[in-house]
Amino acid sequence: GAVVSQHPSRVICKSGTSVKIECRSLDFQATTMFWYRQFPKQSLMLMATSNEGSKATYEQGVEKDKFLINHASLTLSTLTVTSAHPEDSSFYICSATQRYEQYFGPGTRLTVT
Amino acid sequence: AQSVTQPDIHITVSEGASLELRCNYSYGATPYLFWYVQSPGQGLQLLLKYFSGDTLVQGIKGFEAEFKRSQSSFNLRKPSVHWSDAAEYFCAVARRESGGSNYKLTFGKGTLLTVNP
Repeated sequence: GAVVSQHPSRVICKSGTSVKIECRSLDFQATTMFWYRQFPKQSLMLMATSNEGSKATYEQGVEKDKFLINHASLTLSTLTVTSAHPEDSSFYICSATQRYEQYFGPGTRLTVT
Repeated sequence: AQSVTQPDIHITVSEGASLELRCNYSYGATPYLFWYVQSPGQGLQLLLKYFSGDTLVQGIKGFEAEFKRSQSSFNLRKPSVHWSDAAEYFCAVARRESGGSNYKLTFGKGTLLTVNP
């Protein structure tokens, strides 16, 4: 149980384009999902909290207009990187939560050329 | 503010040797503590967690961790390491947002484990 998927697992896009990453909880409903960013050989940095049916809350320093989050249902949250630039290249990981336990997706490797 | 410290950036052990990965936390309330493992290019897998009760918790893959409140520590141990244990290990503490119902995780910087044959 408690499986979280992410799609795509890997994406390469050109600078200036937008990329959407999906996070799905496959066998449970999650009112809250989290989006993290991980730089090479570093820890996970929380970007934002995605709540079903309401606006996402962003951590300090994260541009909400660049990283658009939509939590359309209890099993799906999407992260859209708008007007991507090479510095947005990173590993993006989502998690879906049940109370204080988080279940992580396998991550999405974004490369912006 | 809560924080998690993993003092060892990189540890190398021989296969079959015992392992201890250190984790210290700073948190005002009773902590919910976690250990996760991450293989290269993968997401995080939960090894074990501590919420309350017995301070020695057992996890998957033969791992265990002991919560010591007096030392603010939650060290991860394994009596005999296998080559497949080579990965990055993250300690985390869950904190509840004030006025909210969400629990957010604060991660340590991770410890990279290398296993020699």
